[in-house]
Amino acid sequence: DVKVTQSSRYLVKRTGEKVFLECVQDMDHENMFWYRQDPGLGLRLIYFSYDVKMKEKGDIPEGYSVSREKKERFSLILESASTNQTSMYLCASSKRIDPEQYFGPGTRLTVT
Amino acid sequence: AQSVAQPEDQVNVAEGNPLTVKCTYSVSGNPYLFWYVQYPNRGLQFLLKYITGDNLVKGSYGFEAEFNKSQTSFHLKKPSALVSDSALYFCAVRDVPGGGANNLFFGTGTRLTVIP
Repeated sequence: DVKVTQSSRYLVKRTGEKVFLECVQDMDHENMFWYRQDPGLGLRLIYFSYDVKMKEKGDIPEGYSVSREKKERFSLILESASTNQTSMYLCASSKRIDPEQYFGPGTRLTVT
Repeated sequence: AQSVAQPEDQVNVAEGNPLTVKCTYSVSGNPYLFWYVQYPNRGLQFLLKYITGDNLVKGSYGFEAEFNKSQTSFHLKKPSALVSDSALYFCAVRDVPGGGANNLFFGTGTRLTVIP
């Protein structure tokens, strides 16, 4: 069974803290994605990666960075968390030429 | 650029009645279309997809979707709704930003409530 896991289901951080969200997939997928989900806005793509050490900006990359040192792991970094980054963060993965994505359970981040 | 629209934020239907969740799309080229479902506090789960072939696509949990090229629509349907179908539904279209990537562009979601 395919599996995408995220390091935390719930996270509470203070403004200005550095935050790491980890995502691991066990399907040997080339592509990995980070989204944030907000009510009324749907899913918005933050960053994606289609290979190790490769990264591409999505629609809303400001305030975020990513790291992909290994094929199975894709990390989202908030360098200095702000309250407007309070959201649900979803990680996904897919095969190189297949657009169907598999999602993790999500991390609900609250920045106070 | 590719886009999808889900015109209804909320759909209510009585248990046992047929349900429809609407989606329209705008693409250049052939559309690859998807439906995902999200249950409370969970990630998205794949329901079905249209790439080519029959316009009526069957998916998980008794759902189906009809691809209509002339109306640029891909509505999700189920003949008889269950209370357990209550969830958030997302339509998505393939986006090809270049570099060999295959991304998905998601709609804003429709919350389906099935009333017992």
